[in-house]
Amino acid sequence: DVKVTQSSRYLVKRTGEKVFLECVQDMDHENMFWYRQDPGLGLRLIYFSYDVKMKEKGDIPEGYSVSREKKERFSLILESASTNQTSMYLCASSFVSTPSTDTQYFGPGTRLTVL
Amino acid sequence: GDSVTQMEGPVTLSEEAFLTINCTYTATGYPSLFWYVQYPGEGLQLLLKATKADDKGSNKGFEATYRKETTSFHLEKGSVQVSDSAVYFCALSDSGGYQKVTFGIGTKLQVIP
Repeated sequence: DVKVTQSSRYLVKRTGEKVFLECVQDMDHENMFWYRQDPGLGLRLIYFSYDVKMKEKGDIPEGYSVSREKKERFSLILESASTNQTSMYLCASSFVSTPSTDTQYFGPGTRLTVL
Repeated sequence: GDSVTQMEGPVTLSEEAFLTINCTYTATGYPSLFWYVQYPGEGLQLLLKATKADDKGSNKGFEATYRKETTSFHLEKGSVQVSDSAVYFCALSDSGGYQKVTFGIGTKLQVIP
């Protein structure tokens, strides 16, 4: 059974803290993604990675960075957390395919609250 | 750029009612189209997909047809159940190899007994 896991389901941090969100997939997927989900806005892509050590900015990268040192692990980093980064964070992974027909597989999400 | 439009809802239906959730898109090239579902407390999972014009995706009684002429991919189910209560996301992926997906805002469906 395919699986994407995220390090925490719920996280509470203080403004200014450095926050790490970890995602691991066991499907040998090349692509990995970080989204945030907010009411009325749906899912918005923060960053994605198509290979180890490779990364591309998504639609809302400001205030975030990512790291992919191993194929199965993709980390999202909030360098200095702010209250407007309170959100649900979803990680996903997929195979590379041309054309892009493959499914994205999602983790259960991390609900981050920044106080 | 690419975009997906769907109503936010909530949509409230009685059990066994007919469901339609409209989805229209704007894209360059020839995108693939998807419906994902998010049950309470969970991540998204693929419900169905269609990869070219006139394809019909189907799963668990849900169907959607890729209509290039109207740029639409409406989700339908003939008889909903309480267990179908969830948030439904329409999405498209660009024609490149990186599987970059654009999601709609999600439509919350509530089915009451």
